[in-house]
Amino acid sequence: KNQVEQSPQSLIILEGKNCTLQCNYTVSPFSNLRWYKQDTGRGPVSLTIMTFSENTKSNGRYTATLDADTKQSSLHITASQLSDSASYICVVIVTGGFKTIFGAGTRLFVKA
Amino acid sequence: GAVVSQHPSWVICKSGTSVKIECRSLDFQATTMFWYRQFPKQSLMLMATSNEGSKATYEQGVEKDKFLINHASLTLSTLTVTSAHPEDSSFYICSARYAGGSNQPQHFGDGTRLSIL
Repeated sequence: KNQVEQSPQSLIILEGKNCTLQCNYTVSPFSNLRWYKQDTGRGPVSLTIMTFSENTKSNGRYTATLDADTKQSSLHITASQLSDSASYICVVIVTGGFKTIFGAGTRLFVKA
Repeated sequence: GAVVSQHPSWVICKSGTSVKIECRSLDFQATTMFWYRQFPKQSLMLMATSNEGSKATYEQGVEKDKFLINHASLTLSTLTVTSAHPEDSSFYICSARYAGGSNQPQHFGDGTRLSIL
């Protein structure tokens, strides 16, 4: 069964600290993996997109990694800011684009 | 670039009313549009996928007669919630993708919060 599991469910960190969010998937065949940021009451915004041949992709303070062998991805946020408070959603696309599998998301709270 | 506009952003209406939500790709042609539903603290649930000029493909458990989807042009898709009831209250989000297949990202609208009294 195609599944995407994210951990932790929620996370509280202090402003300026780093954090890492995890995503494990069992999707097959795998096409690409994306991380989205969703602010409360808004639509998701794409942070990174990686195909199976890419190991890492950065977007400013966000760095995503992918291990296609272990089917794990992580999103590392450096020097967190209050505006990073949001839900971060891991999305895996099945080859052919016929199915998009969403993780349940990690809710990140950055405190001053 | 790649902006998706959703309208209205918030609607409150009486039970039994039909509500239409519009999703527009402002600066690109969207061959495929997706409609999602999201309950509080949960992830997005895909309701249907529509390709321009074709009938929408609905996910299992989604009533096509309840949620009417029209994708008449490459920049506009509409979702009509017919005879809405309180259990239809939710956050509805659309996304659009241009030609190029699954490697192209989905660009999301900002959602429509629907409250049925």
